[in-house]
Amino acid sequence: EVQLVESGGGVVQPGGSLRLSCAASGFTFRTYWMSWVRQAPGKGPEWLANIKRDGSKTSYVDSVKGRFTISRDNAKNSLFLQMYDLRSEDTAVYYCATVRGDTGDYGVDYWGLGTLVTVSS
Amino acid sequence: ETTLTQSPAFMSATPGDKVTISCKASQDIDDDVNWYQQQPGEAAIPIIQDASTLVPGVSPRFSGTGFGTDFTLTIYDLESEDAAYYFCLQHDNLPWTFGQGTKVEVK
Repeated sequence: EVQLVESGGGVVQPGGSLRLSCAASGFTFRTYWMSWVRQAPGKGPEWLANIKRDGSKTSYVDSVKGRFTISRDNAKNSLFLQMYDLRSEDTAVYYCATVRGDTGDYGVDYWGLGTLVTVSS
Repeated sequence: ETTLTQSPAFMSATPGDKVTISCKASQDIDDDVNWYQQQPGEAAIPIIQDASTLVPGVSPRFSGTGFGTDFTLTIYDLESEDAAYYFCLQHDNLPWTFGQGTKVEVK
């Protein structure tokens, strides 16, 4: 059974940084593309970033490009999201998710329960 | 960027009803739409892939149709366990985008 457990959320001041982690189990992590998705209060989900199986390729939505970095450690079955220059509009629940397809083209598949990030002074 | 307009935002229905949720894309996205269900306190799960393919293990009461710009999720013979938040995703082009979601209440 696929299990994804996010951690690292919390309250941070505007301009601050935070690093989210996602512990994966129940599947062969190194063979999957992975994603981060967030959902702000009262809004639909927003895809943030993808990373290829070996970490060699990443993609980002424009709203976080240059501020967020997705990475992974296949030896530890872990996915990360380093977030800098956080803004109030980054307040959301952040989810890690598996990506369907060997080419990483078929959308997200399985999700974790999420971790809440609140940006507030 | 492709915008997905999902409707309605909320619906209340009775067990046994047929429920339809719409997702309209701002441009042609072939059949590159997935649908997800998120029940309270649980992780979201995929229920329909590529517009019409039922994810293995998902109840056949769920059906997806559509191609191009108009997509529909239908729940037949609604059951109390179907109370959840449903949303669509387009994976035709980056950035992948989601609909706003539909909360389905079962009376």
